[in-house]
Amino acid sequence: GQQVMQIPQYQHVQEGEDFTTYCNSSTTLSNIQWYKQRPGGHPVFLIQLVKSGEVKKQKRLTFQFGEAKKNSSLHITATQTTDVGTYFCAGRTGGYQKVTFGIGTKLQVIP
Amino acid sequence: NAGVTQTPKFQVLKTGQSMTLQCAQDMNHEYMSWYRQDPGMGLRLIHYSVGAGITDQGEVPNGYNVSRSTTEDFPLRLLSAAPSQTSVYFCASSFGQAREKLFFGSGTQLSVL
Repeated sequence: GQQVMQIPQYQHVQEGEDFTTYCNSSTTLSNIQWYKQRPGGHPVFLIQLVKSGEVKKQKRLTFQFGEAKKNSSLHITATQTTDVGTYFCAGRTGGYQKVTFGIGTKLQVIP
Repeated sequence: NAGVTQTPKFQVLKTGQSMTLQCAQDMNHEYMSWYRQDPGMGLRLIHYSVGAGITDQGEVPNGYNVSRSTTEDFPLRLLSAAPSQTSVYFCASSFGQAREKLFFGSGTQLSVL
């Protein structure tokens, strides 16, 4: 079945440092979504990527979808304490109704 | 709009007991799903539904039943609770099927003793 691997599982950074999390799928994805879950909260949608090689930015966050549509990354520039949480990628294959989540990357930002 | 509402927020069960986790959405979403979240395992799909009267299994369906009699409601039933079902359960919904973002409920923390 479809698998989505996500690394690293944990990341501690000093405030102001950059952060990147990576997702890799065993199969070609029709789209990939990114979610953020604050401690004690529920996942909240951040963005969706659909096209091969797509790059989207949201303020300090940059999202990329690989050319082969099998990998994706989320990069945060100059982290802040408000960035703390777990970041999940979620992939779907074409016409397939199941959304497969990566295990998430838990980000801790040290002030 | 209330969005996706899950009840209860916390539940403690004894092994062998049964219970139903409730999920309701008021956004007229066709797609609804249940996930469980365990440390180091991410979010794993239990069951999903693409519309009233239609349900299908996800990655980890054993021990759980679902039904979708209305567009709004998608309850998850634990038939005979086991300690391995101790987890945080999230219900999620979306407008369409393959391309839409998921809206999550606030979760149910379940402990089975």
